[in-house]
Amino acid sequence: KAGVTQTPRYLIKTRGQQVTLSCSPISGHRSVSWYQQTPGQGLQFLFEYFSETQRNKGNFPGRFSGRQFSNSRSEMNVSTLELGDSALYLCASSPTGFDTQYFGPGTRLTVL
Amino acid sequence: GEDVEQSLFLSVREGDSSVINCTYTDSSSTYLYWYKQEPGAGLQLLTYIFSNMDMKQDQRLTVLLNKKDKHLSLRIADTQTGDSAIYFCAETSNQAGTALIFGKGTTLSVSS
Repeated sequence: KAGVTQTPRYLIKTRGQQVTLSCSPISGHRSVSWYQQTPGQGLQFLFEYFSETQRNKGNFPGRFSGRQFSNSRSEMNVSTLELGDSALYLCASSPTGFDTQYFGPGTRLTVL
Repeated sequence: GEDVEQSLFLSVREGDSSVINCTYTDSSSTYLYWYKQEPGAGLQLLTYIFSNMDMKQDQRLTVLLNKKDKHLSLRIADTQTGDSAIYFCAETSNQAGTALIFGKGTTLSVSS
């Protein structure tokens, strides 16, 4: 089975812009979760989607949003980018969300 | 509340055993995981243990769980230079739902 894929792998944006990241889960997995990794805060949970619905949400501002499509692929959007949004954004998939999560390679976002 | 703590650094010689420790606070933890992250990469699942188990062995990896002390450890036997990476402990719990709560990670450095 192919693993979790994320596109693009690298992004450079400027403050105030918006960005969309994409995640394709392992075939058959219906849950997709997003995490932000920074040197200061470590790995933090953003949100989780299951069957096209946001089922769980971390403590991030409303500028961070996401969606899931009927084929379980997910996108994450960050609007009005701030310098502090520079991070590695990791996507993880699992069959139901309540079992083992498998991670993609991440998207490295740099905000200038 | 939820909190996962790990020591930040561990340095060992090739061929020795490595022991990475983790403590957690949520007594409702269901699964506990160990992930490995190499430079520039995503998270690779190494192993996991269900909260009703005391020990799990998987080739060179041994996980020990002490529920009374909320202490988890990962032992890597015959450590190789290729094991140099950051190791993250993570938990899921009834309180966090589908979110993984991560420690800050332990950087393992293996010298030859």
